[in-house]
Amino acid sequence: DQQVKQNSPSLSVQEGRISILNCDYTNSMFDYFLWYKKYPAEGPTFLISISSIKDKNEDGRFTVFLNKSAKHLSLHIVPSQPGDSAVYFCAAANAGNNRKLIWGLGTSLAVNP
Amino acid sequence: NAGVMQNPRHLVRRRGQEARLRCSPMKGHSHVYWYRQLPEEGLKFMVYLQKENIIDESGMPKERFSAEFPKEGPSILRIQQVVRGDSAAYFCASSQGQGGSYEQYFGPGTRLTVT
Repeated sequence: DQQVKQNSPSLSVQEGRISILNCDYTNSMFDYFLWYKKYPAEGPTFLISISSIKDKNEDGRFTVFLNKSAKHLSLHIVPSQPGDSAVYFCAAANAGNNRKLIWGLGTSLAVNP
Repeated sequence: NAGVMQNPRHLVRRRGQEARLRCSPMKGHSHVYWYRQLPEEGLKFMVYLQKENIIDESGMPKERFSAEFPKEGPSILRIQQVVRGDSAAYFCASSQGQGGSYEQYFGPGTRLTVT
């Protein structure tokens, strides 16, 4: 049972435009959501997170939006840069489950110059 | 470098041998998580440890796999009698613990190949 779903395996965007990566979840007990970026042969790198009590968190070019009623979150990257090309993972956790991260399958983002 | 360290980065074992994967958490972090990524799949939780204590091992296969985080030294993920299906990337992450932030910081991973 995939509790965290990233339905787009890949996304291609032009440099300078907005990248929007989407994530859906099924477990209403999740209280924290995180986005990680991963390059081949490296570990995931933490990007940005959001608590379930908020609906938006912004850090530089990265903004995460949370819609709890729809059980949906998205990561916006503006403007997109070629160096952003990587696989992006959405992960969710809850304090009652030892905060272990439940992962989506990832979306491969290609930013074209 | 105060980041999460894992070694070895690459490990090749023949079927039936033992694999030992090591993880040193980020400075100041006392909690360690192990995850596994099989080819073409996402990361899956395996085990969560504090020093000298296993908090949650619900993601560990029941046989051949064990983990520890001793008072001194790195956390060790041990796989006995490896089989081809154990070939995967194994990632360790560390965090501040239950009272701190949720963020987990990952090491570069160990890529295990079973021949």
